[in-house]
Amino acid sequence: QVQLVESGGGVVQPGRSLRLSCTTSGFTFRNNAMHWVRQAPGKGLEWVAVISYDGSNKYYADSVKGRFVISRDNSKSTLNLQMDSLRAEDTALYYCARDPDIAAAGIGSAFDIWGQGTMVTVSS
Amino acid sequence: DIQMTQSPSSLSASVGDRVTITCRASQSISNYLNWYQQKPGKAPKFLIYAASSLQSGVPSRFSGSGSGTDFTLTISSLQPEDFAIYYCQQGYSIPRTFGQGTKVEIK
Repeated sequence: QVQLVESGGGVVQPGRSLRLSCTTSGFTFRNNAMHWVRQAPGKGLEWVAVISYDGSNKYYADSVKGRFVISRDNSKSTLNLQMDSLRAEDTALYYCARDPDIAAAGIGSAFDIWGQGTMVTVSS
Repeated sequence: DIQMTQSPSSLSASVGDRVTITCRASQSISNYLNWYQQKPGKAPKFLIYAASSLQSGVPSRFSGSGSGTDFTLTISSLQPEDFAIYYCQQGYSIPRTFGQGTKVEIK
């Protein structure tokens, strides 16, 4: 079955870095754009970043632009999120999510499959 | 950025009730509107895409409608497993944005 499994979360001090990974299975990874979406404790959903099927196009929320980098390895069916200069407000459960489309900015984008999330806590 | 506003923020309803949740976009998004359901401690589940198309496996008591800026999610007969938080999301432009969520609670 289709599965997304996030890893790499943890507790980190402000200003430090963390790298999240999302290992996928059950579908042809290179055929889908992929997203990161986060949810702060007790709060709603916030889109973070998206990458196109081939990694050629990437887009970010303003709140993370210049600090986070999304990437993918289609040979390993894996999505990554490099998070630098972390802030307290980045504390959240980070989900990877599949887009039915191949394009990063395709109209009609949705999140049809979600992982269970990995928790990132930024605290001194 | 396109702002998505849901109403109400929460509601109490009984099993069997008809429930309607509204989502309004700050500008026209045609029908590029999706709905998700999230239960406590779980990842969101994709319910409806393109405003009114039911995702595979989603019960037919769920329906969506609307276009332009105003959209609704309707649960025709609320079931115990439907108590959750519901989010709308626009797929029209970057950045993708969600509504703040509507919590459906048991009366």
